[in-house]
Amino acid sequence: QKEVEQNSGPLSVPEGAIASLNCTYSDRVSQSFFWYRQYSGKSPELIMSIYSNGDKEDGRFTAQLNKASQYVSLLIRDSQPSDSATYLCAVGSYNTDKLIFGTGTRLQVFP
Amino acid sequence: GAVVSQHPSWVICKSGTSVKIECRSLDFQATTMFWYRQFPKQSLMLMATSNEGSKATYEQGVEKDKFLINHASLTLSTLTVTSAHPEDSSFYICSASQTNQETQYFGPGTRLLVL
Repeated sequence: QKEVEQNSGPLSVPEGAIASLNCTYSDRVSQSFFWYRQYSGKSPELIMSIYSNGDKEDGRFTAQLNKASQYVSLLIRDSQPSDSATYLCAVGSYNTDKLIFGTGTRLQVFP
Repeated sequence: GAVVSQHPSWVICKSGTSVKIECRSLDFQATTMFWYRQFPKQSLMLMATSNEGSKATYEQGVEKDKFLINHASLTLSTLTVTSAHPEDSSFYICSASQTNQETQYFGPGTRLLVL
C-alpha cells in the first residue's frame, strides 16, 4: 500500500514566522511531488511541484525534496493569516496517472 | 491557465433522484480527469479516473453502477450520482491533467445534499 504521511496538526505559527510542513512517502520510485493548499470549504489549489532533489523556491514558498530519505517539505516564509489552510502533499504514483494524497496538515497563522 | 470549472456548485435533491455534475477544462485539453469525494473534516478520496473515450477506472469500494462517469471529450467529464441517498451527501471535486503531465488542476467542487 503506497502511503503519504503528514502530521495533521494544527501547526500554529505567529504572523511573520516560517511555517515548515513535512511529508513522507513510502514508494521509493515516486518521481513527482506536489503541494496543494485547501481553504476550508474550498477545493485544493496547486502551490508547487518538485521533481528533483534539493530546493525549489517560488515567492514565499520553498519546496524541499530528499528522495533518499523519502521526504518532501514546504516552507512558508513571512507567514500571513491568509496562509491559514490545510496543506496537502501529493505524490505521483509510478506507472499510473493517479496522485496519492496525504491527509493534510492544518496550518494556523495567528496575528 | 489550467482552469477547471464544475457545474453546479451546489445541489439539493430528494432521495432516489439522480444528479449530474459536469467538469470542464476551460483552457487546456484534459486527457485524464479524476473524481474525488470529501466528507467534512476528512481527506480527499479518489473515486475514479477517466480517460477521454475510455471507460472510467473506479477505486476499490466505489460502485460503478451508482456513480456513472462519462468522459466524452477532451474538455468535459460528467459524474452522475444515480438514485442518490442521504449518505451520498458530500463535496464532489473533479480534477484534470494534460497529456503526459501528472499535475492535477482542481475544479471548485460541487456540494451535494440529498434529503
